Amino acid sequence: DAKTTQPNSMESNEEEPVHLPCNHSTISGTDYIHWYRQLPSQGPEYVIHGLTSNVNNRMASLAIAEDRKSSTLILHRATLRDAAVYYCILNPIIQGAQKLVFGQGTRLTINP
Amino acid sequence: KAGVTQTPRYLIKTRGQQVTLSCSPISGHRSVSWYQQTPGQGLQFLFEYFSETQRNKGNFPGRFSGRQFSNSRSEMNVSTLELGDSALYLCASSDYRGSQLTEAFFGQGTRLTVV
Repeated sequence: DAKTTQPNSMESNEEEPVHLPCNHSTISGTDYIHWYRQLPSQGPEYVIHGLTSNVNNRMASLAIAEDRKSSTLILHRATLRDAAVYYCILNPIIQGAQKLVFGQGTRLTINP
Repeated sequence: KAGVTQTPRYLIKTRGQQVTLSCSPISGHRSVSWYQQTPGQGLQFLFEYFSETQRNKGNFPGRFSGRQFSNSRSEMNVSTLELGDSALYLCASSDYRGSQLTEAFFGQGTRLTVV
């Protein structure tokens, strides 16, 4: 399974943008980049995913480097509710099974 | 649409006992996967079932087993419990949108404590 590298922790202030980096230098051409987050005392929840182009949804934006060896999850205006552990995961385009390989993730703290 | 439901939410068992955890996926979802979360090892994949068939299995001993019923509900069993099995057990459901599996939807987990 291809690996991802994320900072252990990051801190930001409420209502400011947050950029969460992820390195995946061994990514395969057939891997999607997925982001999940886990709020305290809850199961993980899907945030966003992409292949090559930048992606936006109501929760966040995903910026993918041209060589696909890194990506950045962008929360445009962080709220206290965004405090969570964020996981960057590589997932094959053709999946024989639903299997997510979680790393240690980035623990995001939001200051009021 | 109801989310993924896991029961029970909390469980205390004694070493050597066995335990069964239950997961009801989102209606219509045929894939159910299970994960173990501990402070030391993080989130680790246990196994995945699709339409009653195990399609993938993680690196866990044979004491960990599962099954899926025709209504897609899944159970996970751990036999001969060890202290190290204390963890949060999470299940996730998904299905295909065209030829692609959708994102995984997770339940809130079952917190198992082995004493």
